[in-house]
Amino acid sequence: GQQVMQIPQYQHVQEGEDFTTYCNSSTTLSNIQWYKQRPGGHPVFLIQLVKSGEVKKQKRLTFQFGEAKKNSSLHITATQTTDVGTYFCAGPERGAQKLVFGQGTRLTINP
Amino acid sequence: NAGVTQTPKFQVLKTGQSMTLQCAQDMNHNSMYWYRQDPGMGLRLIYYSASEGTTDKGEVPNGYNVSRLNKREFSLRLESAAPSQTSVYFCASSSTGMGEQFFGPGTRLTVL
Repeated sequence: GQQVMQIPQYQHVQEGEDFTTYCNSSTTLSNIQWYKQRPGGHPVFLIQLVKSGEVKKQKRLTFQFGEAKKNSSLHITATQTTDVGTYFCAGPERGAQKLVFGQGTRLTINP
Repeated sequence: NAGVTQTPKFQVLKTGQSMTLQCAQDMNHNSMYWYRQDPGMGLRLIYYSASEGTTDKGEVPNGYNVSRLNKREFSLRLESAAPSQTSVYFCASSSTGMGEQFFGPGTRLTVL
């Protein structure tokens, strides 16, 4: 079935360093969504990308959707302790009313 | 708007006991979902309901049943709890099956 893979699984950085997580789908996606889950919390929607090659920014976060609409990335510039958490990407499964989530990238930060 | 609410927040069961997790949303969403998340792991879909009156199996449906009671409410039932069902359970809803999902705060379930 359709799979969404994320790398890396874990990332530890010093505060102020940049961070990037990558998401790859086995099939073309109609859209890609990103979610953030703080420790002990629930996933919260961050953004949705729809167009091939789309780039969106939210303050220090930059999201990209690949030209082939099979991959995406999330880049955080100058991480802060508030960025700690697990970042998930997700894409709609073809023919089904549900999302396929990646395994997530857990970000920890040394202050 | 409360968004997505779940009850209970915490529950401890003994092996073999049954229980129902409740979920409700007040956003008039068509689709609702039940996920489980084991410690340090990702989200695994248990069951979902694309629209009122329909339910479908997800990735890990064994040991669970669901009921889409009405458009607002979607419950998850464990008929005979097992230690392997110890997990955090999240309910989510979305307007369409391809769109943004809103998650509830979760139910932390321990089965002894």
